[in-house]
Amino acid sequence: LAKTTQPISMDSYEGQEVNITCSHNNIATNDYITWYQQFPSQGPRFIIQGYKTKVTNEVASLFIPADRKSSTLSLPRVSLSDTAVYYCLVGDMDSSYKLIFGSGTRLLVRP
Amino acid sequence: DTAVSQTPKYLVTQMGNDKSIKCEQNLGHDTMYWYKQDSKKFLKIMFSYNNKELIINETVPNRFSPKSPDKAHLNLHINSLELGDSAVYFCASTGGGDEQFFGPGTRLTVL
Repeated sequence: LAKTTQPISMDSYEGQEVNITCSHNNIATNDYITWYQQFPSQGPRFIIQGYKTKVTNEVASLFIPADRKSSTLSLPRVSLSDTAVYYCLVGDMDSSYKLIFGSGTRLLVRP
Repeated sequence: DTAVSQTPKYLVTQMGNDKSIKCEQNLGHDTMYWYKQDSKKFLKIMFSYNNKELIINETVPNRFSPKSPDKAHLNLHINSLELGDSAVYFCASTGGGDEQFFGPGTRLTVL
């Protein structure tokens, strides 16, 4: 399974756009890229998933370049409630039995 | 309605005791997991069950024994608890590969 690398932490202010980049140099052809969000004392929650180019939902956007060796989670106009740990995962959806969580990125949104 | 539930939410016990954590999902999913999140917040998969059959058993001491009486339940039994077992344990389930649904977690403290 591809290993991912993310910044350990990031700071932002309310109303700003936050971009969290994840490196996955060894991503395989069948791997999808998935991002989860975890608030303190809660389980992780699915945010977004993509394979290539750009994916957007009501919460975030996911940008994936053509080589797929990295991906960027974009959170528009963050609020204090977006303070959380964000995990980037890559894995073959046909073998979803084993998704590996990395150390995640701790995002702190300040007023 | 809670999708993935765990009991208890908190568990404090003495070294050497045997304890169980229960997990139930009402999503009709075929695959369930147990994860351990340690003090450094690393989320590591322990077990995965698909249709009541063990799919993944990571390097976990055999003091940990998962039991799946049916597709909706995956319980975790821990024998001879040790200090290093203190962590938050998350149950999760998935129905088709793109999203895992996590329970609220069980914080285990071994004294």
